[in-house]
Amino acid sequence: DTGVSQNPRHKITKRGQNVTFRCDPISEHNRLYWYRQTLGQGPEFLTYFQNEAQLEKSRLLSDRFSAERPKGSFSTLEIQRTEQGDSAMYLCASSSSTGRNTIYFGEGSWLTVV
Amino acid sequence: GNSVTQMEGPVTLSEEAFLTINCTYTATGYPSLFWYVQYPGEGLQLLLKATKADDKGSNKGFEATYRKETTSFHLEKGSVQVSDSAVYFCALSAAGTASKLTFGTGTRLQVTL
Repeated sequence: DTGVSQNPRHKITKRGQNVTFRCDPISEHNRLYWYRQTLGQGPEFLTYFQNEAQLEKSRLLSDRFSAERPKGSFSTLEIQRTEQGDSAMYLCASSSSTGRNTIYFGEGSWLTVV
Repeated sequence: GNSVTQMEGPVTLSEEAFLTINCTYTATGYPSLFWYVQYPGEGLQLLLKATKADDKGSNKGFEATYRKETTSFHLEKGSVQVSDSAVYFCALSAAGTASKLTFGTGTRLQVTL
C-alpha cells in the first residue's frame, strides 16, 4: 500500500532562492491538497486540485507560490524568491471525490530559509 | 467562517491515566469532524472521524462523539500509553468544500511512566 509520498523531506535554502517540492498522491485519488504548517500551529490550507484543475487557492498563497498538477497525477509546489517567513512544513494530501473521501497526508517537506 | 478551537497543551499524564482533549467548532451546515495525530517529525495520520450528529468515531482505544447541540468533538481514551505521546489535531470538513480541512492549533500530549 503506497501512501502519499513527498520529496525532498528536508530542504535548506538561502533567502531569495527558488525551491520546488513534489507530491505523489495515492494512485486512485483524484483530489490533491497542499497545506502549510508552522511550528506550534495546525496545518493551513493552501490550494487543491481535482484531477489537473486547480480549483481553489487560499489567500495565503502569494504570487511567489505556484502549484501545478499537469497530468492529474503528481503535483509540484514552487516557491520563488524564498523569504525567512516561508520556513515551514509543506504537507501534501490526497483524497477521492467519491466514496469515503477521507484525506490522507504525506509526511511533509520541511523548508528552512536561512 | 469555519473554525476549530482546541484546549491548549501541553497535557502531561501518567501512563494508564484517562485522557480528554476538548474540541469545539464553528461551521455552517453539517460538517464532518476528524481527529488527526502527528508524531514527532512526521505528517498527520487520521485517528478517527464522524460524519453526522451523534456518530461516535473510534480507533486504537480513542473515541470521540459528534455533539451538534454543543458543537463539540472531544477526544477521549480510557488508559493512555507512553506511545500515545504526540500532537493531536481536531479538524472539520464543511459540507460542499471538497473535503478541505480546517484544523485547530493542536494539543501536545506527553505520557510519562
